[in-house]
Amino acid sequence: GIQVEQSPPDLILQEGANSTLRCNFSDSVNNLQWFHQNPWGQLINLFYIPSGTKQNGRLSATTVATERYSLLYISSSQTTDSGVYFCAVGETGANNLFFGTGTRLTVIP
Amino acid sequence: NAGVTQTPKFQVLKTGQSMTLQCAQDMNHEYMSWYRQDPGMGLRLIHYSVGAGITDQGEVPNGYNVSRSTTEDFPLRLLSAAPSQTSVYFCASSYTLPGLATNEKLFFGSGTQLSVL
Repeated sequence: GIQVEQSPPDLILQEGANSTLRCNFSDSVNNLQWFHQNPWGQLINLFYIPSGTKQNGRLSATTVATERYSLLYISSSQTTDSGVYFCAVGETGANNLFFGTGTRLTVIP
Repeated sequence: NAGVTQTPKFQVLKTGQSMTLQCAQDMNHEYMSWYRQDPGMGLRLIHYSVGAGITDQGEVPNGYNVSRSTTEDFPLRLLSAAPSQTSVYFCASSYTLPGLATNEKLFFGSGTQLSVL
């Protein structure tokens, strides 16, 4: 299956700082989603973004499909942003999404 | 809408026992799936279904069975639990297949933490 690599694996930020999380994938995709897993384990869908740029409040995401990567930007981070961020991708016609191993973000007050 | 509902939240089994993890969704989603999450390995697909009566295997299907008798329900059965099945299990659903470029997001249940002793 398609390979998904996320970086960095761990990130510690002071509250108010900005951050960029990266997702590289090994093949063409027509489905790419970003998820946040909060400290209680709940997985929340942040973006569906196989190409282009989207913004939702302090979060935004950009996918450059031709270069096989996606970026998740978190601005003015808050302690509630802590958790693990996953990128998941799907190829055309695929029946599932392949997940990266995630970036663990810790925001300290 | 309740979304995707999983039960139980926690379960401890002894090796060799069987059990069923329940998953239900009320969003009329055709696609449902089961993932397991292990430390350092992300989420891996166990089984999925593209509609009532249709199921197929994912990356790690061994030791698990599924069925889809209704659109709403997609239970996961552990036939004979083994310590290697200690994991967190997530059920997920979406209106369409992930491979169709339809802007349909994948929604997850709250997870089941399973320990096999």
